[in-house]
Amino acid sequence: GESVGLHLPTLSVQEGDNSIINCAYSNSASDYFIWYKQESGKGPQFIIDIRSNMDKRQGQRVTVLLNKTVKHLSLQIAATQPGDSAVYFCAETGGGNKLTFGTGTQLKVEL
Amino acid sequence: DTAVSQTPKYLVTQMGNDKSIKCEQNLGHDTMYWYKQDSKKFLKIMFSYNNKELIINETVPNRFSPKSPDKAHLNLHINSLELGDSAVYFCASSRQGSGIYEQYFGPGTRLTVT
Repeated sequence: GESVGLHLPTLSVQEGDNSIINCAYSNSASDYFIWYKQESGKGPQFIIDIRSNMDKRQGQRVTVLLNKTVKHLSLQIAATQPGDSAVYFCAETGGGNKLTFGTGTQLKVEL
Repeated sequence: DTAVSQTPKYLVTQMGNDKSIKCEQNLGHDTMYWYKQDSKKFLKIMFSYNNKELIINETVPNRFSPKSPDKAHLNLHINSLELGDSAVYFCASSRQGSGIYEQYFGPGTRLTVT
């Protein structure tokens, strides 16, 4: 369960709407970015990744956009469903397998 | 089929005790990791092992000692537990090579120190 004092940014969307979750990073040397989804009581689960030589990548209902100029990453979820409710993390690495995670965004889907 | 498994799922213990968390992966990966997730959901890497060798060791108190008996297992032993050690600990694994590979996470172990 969630702890008292949790201050995760929260995004509330209506079922069927599109969701956009944003992430800012600071490391100019970052060349690989990943979005993870973490449902309550579970470990993070890979959603989609993108390398720094791309600015857009699409998956099933998800799109990741990368703007290296302003060091910004976003995850777009089309036709958001109740099962999409979770905490979403962006992560980045400048090389190797050491991932640095962002603070996470709680997505709540309202019926 | 469980890819990355951890035991126990919950661990409640008193300050000063020593405890271990076990992790196993059946994905054939060469690299395994331990992460700590605090009460604000912040996720931070602690250690990484590649083929039983330590390759990442973040600023973690030396009360935490990872042990990798083989490349499919990475256990975490914690001595003299403190209140601040309360968190969810995640094990993860990935392939290793010239590129960067997706990390697969276990279900987590919620450690509560009283």
